[in-house]
Amino acid sequence: GAVVSQHPSWVICKSGTSVKIECRSLDFQATTMFWYRQFPKQSLMLMATSNEGSKATYEQGVEKDKFLINHASLTLSTLTVTSAHPEDSSFYICSASSVVGTDTQYFGPGTRLTVL
Amino acid sequence: GENVEQHPSTLSVQEGDSAVIKCTYSDSASNYFPWYKQELGKRPQLIIDIRSNVGEKKDQRIAVTLNKTAKHFSLHITETQPEDSAVYFCAASIGQAGTALIFGKGTTLSVSS
Repeated sequence: GAVVSQHPSWVICKSGTSVKIECRSLDFQATTMFWYRQFPKQSLMLMATSNEGSKATYEQGVEKDKFLINHASLTLSTLTVTSAHPEDSSFYICSASSVVGTDTQYFGPGTRLTVL
Repeated sequence: GENVEQHPSTLSVQEGDSAVIKCTYSDSASNYFPWYKQELGKRPQLIIDIRSNVGEKKDQRIAVTLNKTAKHFSLHITETQPEDSAVYFCAASIGQAGTALIFGKGTTLSVSS
């Protein structure tokens, strides 16, 4: 149980285009989902906290107009990187915590974004 | 905000030895401290976690200790095996458990046979 999926697993796009990444909790309902970014050989950096039915809370330094987050249901959150540039190339990972109220966060497999 | 420091950044041990990774945190309101193992290109995998009402937790070869007064927690791996080689991250909850996590910078553990 407690499986989180992400789609796509990798994507290559041209500079200036937008990319949407989906994060789904497959066998549980997630009140809260989190989006992290990880550059090569670095740690996970929290980008935003996404609550179902409300606006996401962004961490300091993360542009909310560039990284659009939607959490329309208890099993799906999406991250859209708008007008992507090469410096946005990174590994994007989502995680989800269950509505049941446990502390544990379950991570998706990540999406490797490469912007040319 | 919360800040998590992790040491060492790299750790090399011989198979069968023990490995210890230490983390400190700054927010006294944090009360959930998980440890994750991440292999190259893969998702972080939770290996053990501890909550603030517990001082120590053990699961086979892995143990975690927490000192809330000093605001530090440690991961102990005994009888290390080559398959333990990976990057290990500690994390602390922002405030109460169930909220976002702030991660340490990671420790690359290499276990040689």
